[in-house]
Amino acid sequence: EAQVTQNPRYLITVTGKKLTVTCSQNMNHEYMSWYRQDPGLGLRQIYYSMNVEVTDKGDVPEGYKVSRKEKRNFPLILESPSPNQTSLYFCASSLSPGPSYEQYFGPGTRLTVT
Amino acid sequence: DAKTTQPNSMESNEEEPVHLPCNHSTISGTDYIHWYRQLPSQGPEYVIHGLTSNVNNRMASLAIAEDRKSSTLILHRATLRDAAVYYCILRPTTNFGNEKLTFGTGTRLTIIP
Repeated sequence: EAQVTQNPRYLITVTGKKLTVTCSQNMNHEYMSWYRQDPGLGLRQIYYSMNVEVTDKGDVPEGYKVSRKEKRNFPLILESPSPNQTSLYFCASSLSPGPSYEQYFGPGTRLTVT
Repeated sequence: DAKTTQPNSMESNEEEPVHLPCNHSTISGTDYIHWYRQLPSQGPEYVIHGLTSNVNNRMASLAIAEDRKSSTLILHRATLRDAAVYYCILRPTTNFGNEKLTFGTGTRLTIIP
């Protein structure tokens, strides 16, 4: 089944403890992206990747890192999480960059930083 | 980026058609019109997209006004599973590279059994 998977789905952690949220897609998609969703602010893009080894900042990249060493994986790294990073995170992928292509989203990761 | 305007909420009876409107009066000639929906506790899900002509797929139909300043997502026979927030999103061709989706507040659709 074609899908985007994220792990973990739920995570509660403490301030400053490094964590990684994994994202994997099995559709050989070139484009991948991370969003966070907060009440009243909607979905905002954190980082995106056009292809392997090509990443760039989105609208809210502060406090996050990403890497794209393989086409299928696009992990989101929080080196020193803070409470303002408590949010619902979504990974998305698309076959190719371009406005005529639909994006596929993962199920989400709910992160709480205390 | 061109902006979209949608009603905050709509209600519809189960098994009836639903017409979800979207205004995008500042759309440019090369902007694609996309619709996504987000069911409770799930990630956004692609529904349909179009450029100028009306489009149909297994989930819905998209009717685009002749001047492209508005569009309507049509669910032909609503089920309880269609209760979600529906987002109308414009995707410009000028942003080739970062295919960021700019989500507005969307329309919360409630289906009445």
